[in-house]
Amino acid sequence: GQQVMQIPQYQHVQEGEDFTTYCNSSTTLSNIQWYKQRPGGHPVFLIQLVKSGEVKKQKRLTFQFGEAKKNSSLHITATQTTDVGTYFCAARRGYDMRFGAGTRLTVKP
Amino acid sequence: GAVVSQHPSRVICKSGTSVKIECRSLDFQATTMFWYRQFPKQSLMLMATSNEGSKATYEQGVEKDKFLINHASLTLSTLTVTSAHPEDSSFYICSAATRTGTSVYEQYFGPGTRLTVT
Repeated sequence: GQQVMQIPQYQHVQEGEDFTTYCNSSTTLSNIQWYKQRPGGHPVFLIQLVKSGEVKKQKRLTFQFGEAKKNSSLHITATQTTDVGTYFCAARRGYDMRFGAGTRLTVKP
Repeated sequence: GAVVSQHPSRVICKSGTSVKIECRSLDFQATTMFWYRQFPKQSLMLMATSNEGSKATYEQGVEKDKFLINHASLTLSTLTVTSAHPEDSSFYICSAATRTGTSVYEQYFGPGTRLTVT
C-alpha cells in the first residue's frame, strides 16, 4: 500500500530560525495537502498542491511539490511562536489518502 | 471558511455500552465524510470513508461491525462505537470534504470527540 514518510518527527527552533518538514511517498501522488494542528486542536487545512514542481507561498510559508510528484516540503521562514503545532502532510493517490506522522514544531521565544 | 461540528466533544462511557458521535457540515454540503482516529501525539489514522446514501468504505483492520457509520444526508454522518472497550478510548475526528476540482478534495475537520471507556 501507499506509504507516506514525514521527517523530522520533532523540531525545536529558536524564534526567528527557519523550519522545514519533508513528506515522501513511495508512489506517485495525485495531490498533496498540508495541515496544521495546534496543541489540543484539530487539523486545519493549509494548502493543496496538484501540479508537478508546483511552489506556493502563504506569507512566511513555502510549499513545494516535487517534479516526480512523490515528495513535498513545507518551509517556514523566520518562525514565530504562533507557528507552534504539528504539521501533517496528507498524500492522495486516486481516492486513497494517507497522513504522514507529522512534524511537531516547538519555538523558543 | 467551512465549518464542521462534532458532538459530543467529550464522552465517558462504561465498557460494553455503545456511543454515537455526530459530524455535521454546517454551511456546506459534503460529498464525502471521513472518520479518523488519533492516538496521543500521533498522526491521524483513517478509519472509513462515507458517501451520502451509500455504505461506508472501511480501511483494512477496522471492524465495520464495531464502528458503525451512517451517512444520512449531505450534512450529517454518525459513527457509533458498539460494545466499547477501554482500548477504544481515543480521539475521533471527522472531516467533511468538498470537491473543488476534477479530483480535488478539500477537507474540513471537526473539533474531535474524546472518548474514554472505563
